[in-house]
Amino acid sequence: QLQESGPGLVKPSGTLSLTCAVSGVSLSSNDWWSWIRQPPGKGLEWIGEIYHNWSSNYNASLRSRVTISVDKSKNQFSLKLSSVTAADTALYYCANRRGYSYATWGQGTLVTVSS
Amino acid sequence: EVVLTQSPGTLSLSPGERATLSCRASQSVSSNYLAWYQQKPGQAPRLLIYGASTRATGIPDRFSGSGSATDFTLTISRLEPEDFAVYYCQQYGRSPLITFGQGTRLEIK
Repeated sequence: QLQESGPGLVKPSGTLSLTCAVSGVSLSSNDWWSWIRQPPGKGLEWIGEIYHNWSSNYNASLRSRVTISVDKSKNQFSLKLSSVTAADTALYYCANRRGYSYATWGQGTLVTVSS
Repeated sequence: EVVLTQSPGTLSLSPGERATLSCRASQSVSSNYLAWYQQKPGQAPRLLIYGASTRATGIPDRFSGSGSATDFTLTISRLEPEDFAVYYCQQYGRSPLITFGQGTRLEIK
């Protein structure tokens, strides 16, 4: 139902761009559409989320570099993370928050930051 | 910032045994806002418990959640081979809006 896509390799100081295609449910439902990442061998970090009316919430530690947007015509939402470093290398998941937890996740896409 | 601390870091048990995993919050968290996930290698996390004690759809009743305020517990009554994985707790509501614990690895003894 959720499928991430985007480049698997991004150069340092560049911008990471990912898209999550949503199927089986409308982006206009009462869910929040989220990005969560997991560095290799480490735990989960919430990046941020967006609602269909473009309301958004971001992790303060990443807020200055993150933009999450929604395209209802394509039923997808996107993540942009600027000024990336090696510390941004991670498996990036999209997920939808219904209520206060995440019942549906994408399979994840690995993004490596390297020159 | 709300920090969720899970213990133990690694738990070594045998199939058939009972597992008790702890999640402690640095500030009080509403029970409605506490969830547990299971993650197996190469897979996305799977929601097990939400609202601290409600099993998600399709989750076997050997999984149960309890707790309130700053102390929450996930219990697996009788471990099956497929239960050996990493478990995360997650809270909603305190800045950051969403945080996860660092995880507990449940391994076969």
